[in-house]
Amino acid sequence: AQSVTQLDSQVPVFEEAPVELRCNYSSSVSVYLFWYVQYPNQGLQLLLKYLSGSTLVKGINGFEAEFNKSQTSFHLRKPSVHISDTAEYFCAVISPVSGKLTFGQGTILTVHP
Amino acid sequence: EAGVAQSPRYKIIEKRQSVAFWCNPISGHATLYWYQQILGQGPKLLIQFQNNGVVDDSQLPKDRFSAERLKGVDSTLKIQPAKLEDSAVYLCASRPTAHGEAFFGQGTRLTVV
Repeated sequence: AQSVTQLDSQVPVFEEAPVELRCNYSSSVSVYLFWYVQYPNQGLQLLLKYLSGSTLVKGINGFEAEFNKSQTSFHLRKPSVHISDTAEYFCAVISPVSGKLTFGQGTILTVHP
Repeated sequence: EAGVAQSPRYKIIEKRQSVAFWCNPISGHATLYWYQQILGQGPKLLIQFQNNGVVDDSQLPKDRFSAERLKGVDSTLKIQPAKLEDSAVYLCASRPTAHGEAFFGQGTRLTVV
């Protein structure tokens, strides 16, 4: 079985401040890791993914994430946020064997001017 | 490349009525998922297809929900009869290979009154 825990349900920050959204996962096998973003009334859009290789992955809109196998974490970071980054962010894992895609509960990022 | 298409975008029905949602995945994508996203929660997997076969339907409430993927292309999710707690966004996603990410449609927002 696999599971994903997002440690913060809401993260408020001021514009141009750095932000970190935390994600831990549990799985008995190796998994692929993803961060998706969801804007109001829209579907999920991929921000970045870790399949293999370098543990630091860069995504769209200036976001990056670091895979830490020993801590089973995949935290999302951005050095300077914009108002337009206000959205809900989901961490997810896929089992390469079964293809099962499991999501965390989501973190609402609110960027204040 | 065309994205994942879902229809309708919005649906309002009374409890005990039936409803159906349609999804057309990206061409060539073998894996298709249906998720239920209740307000304030992460997406919950209802059913996963590989071509036209079911891989995982362990969280599908089979007394009222059914899904099919004829010919391994588009898919239909049905609820009969609907309950108030079925009010949610229903997301369809498709995935091309064992090593790629999933692509999501815009979702169908169902309100049961």
